[in-house]
Amino acid sequence: SQQGEEDPQALSIQEGENATMNCSYKTSINNLQWYRQNSGRGLVHLILIRSNEREKHSGRLRVTLDTSKKSSSLLITASRAADTASYFCATDARDTGGFKTIFGAGTRLFVKA
Amino acid sequence: DTEVTQTPKHLVMGMTNKKSLKCEQHMGHRAMYWYKQKAKKPPELMFVYSYEKLSINESVPSRFSPECPNSSLLNLHLHALQPEDSALYLCASSHTKGRTGDEKLFFGSGTQLSVL
Repeated sequence: SQQGEEDPQALSIQEGENATMNCSYKTSINNLQWYRQNSGRGLVHLILIRSNEREKHSGRLRVTLDTSKKSSSLLITASRAADTASYFCATDARDTGGFKTIFGAGTRLFVKA
Repeated sequence: DTEVTQTPKHLVMGMTNKKSLKCEQHMGHRAMYWYKQKAKKPPELMFVYSYEKLSINESVPSRFSPECPNSSLLNLHLHALQPEDSALYLCASSHTKGRTGDEKLFFGSGTQLSVL
């Protein structure tokens, strides 16, 4: 089963507005990561937040983590048309063979110019 | 060089064909991964290699056969695939995940596979 589930499934906003995406997960984690995927392309790592951190910033990105609620949010401020993409949270589940990175269902973001 | 290169970008094959997907990285990463992604779905882990040894197989059917000939290369051999295997196949690499697993994945652009 997926470690991370996200909402909303799709989000449509105007350029300049903020976009907030949420992710929930089921088991304890060491870290949570966010990735971006442009249509039909590979994923690009955006930001990693460790389990002992509550908030992290990177440029226009702000990530929060609430381990008591097993949830995280990704905020993109002052969105641009180029931010149109799918955004996935990911967590690492420990397996007998090591760690495996499992992705949530993703949020498809549409930013209208 | 922070690229993961996958070839081919597109592949169409029949159910009786044998083909291979290739993945290459020169970042010195010793962990490499294959993911399968259907349209509008998240990537699903198939295999993990660590130090050129298969460490995780997510119960993938034997018609998919991974191979890691050296630390830079990862192949996925395909044989007798079904139409439902049509998907985007993504390769990724990372530094090996230590105790905390704090390593990000670098992805290639994928191979879009169609099985007829």
